[in-house]
Amino acid sequence: ETGVTQTPRHLVMGMTNKKSLKCEQHLGHNAMYWYKQSAKKPLELMFVYSLEERVENNSVPSRFSPECPNSSHLFLHLHTLQPEDSALYLCASSQDGVVGGYTFGSGTRLTVV
Amino acid sequence: DAKTTQPTSMDCAEGRAANLPCNHSTISGNEYVYWYRQIHSQGPQYIIHGLKNNETNEMASLIITEDRKSSTLILPHATLRDTAVYYCIVRTHGGATNKLIFGTGTLLAVQP
Repeated sequence: ETGVTQTPRHLVMGMTNKKSLKCEQHLGHNAMYWYKQSAKKPLELMFVYSLEERVENNSVPSRFSPECPNSSHLFLHLHTLQPEDSALYLCASSQDGVVGGYTFGSGTRLTVV
Repeated sequence: DAKTTQPTSMDCAEGRAANLPCNHSTISGNEYVYWYRQIHSQGPQYIIHGLKNNETNEMASLIITEDRKSSTLILPHATLRDTAVYYCIVRTHGGATNKLIFGTGTLLAVQP
């Protein structure tokens, strides 16, 4: 596979469940990102990882817990979510110091019931 | 990062050129202009970027004014598949901390 792959594509979870979103990039990039896109709202940057170190956490509630075990993989662990957390969660990667853009995955559509 | 201003929505006839404007009057000298688009419920897709000169690739052309305070993305022959939200973003390139921040963009509707 090439590019940025996100799994699952769709997820329905109850408020007491624990689930994880997975992102994998096959581009050799060294930075990865999680974005959230709620209905009819702009994309919101949640977390930034560079060289597997978290460099930014944009005041995201602790019920969202990111993990970056290596430069190719990024996870978003979810627990005790609220219905307002239902959104499209997008992963992206980029190469630091290189002119160019981010490559995004297709996203995980999360519904909290 | 400087902020940008884009129209909320635009229409374009299929086969015609789509010209999407963006104002970035507070852009600084080391900031690039990036364009992305997002087709409904998909991840954003990189289109093009530029600093001072006009740029062209297989997807689009980017025209930047001489004072760099505004730019125009041109899709030369719009198709129905170009219907999407188009985002104009200014940022210094490189570095995970030079993060990509999205605004509300322009919804381009290509009409048959």
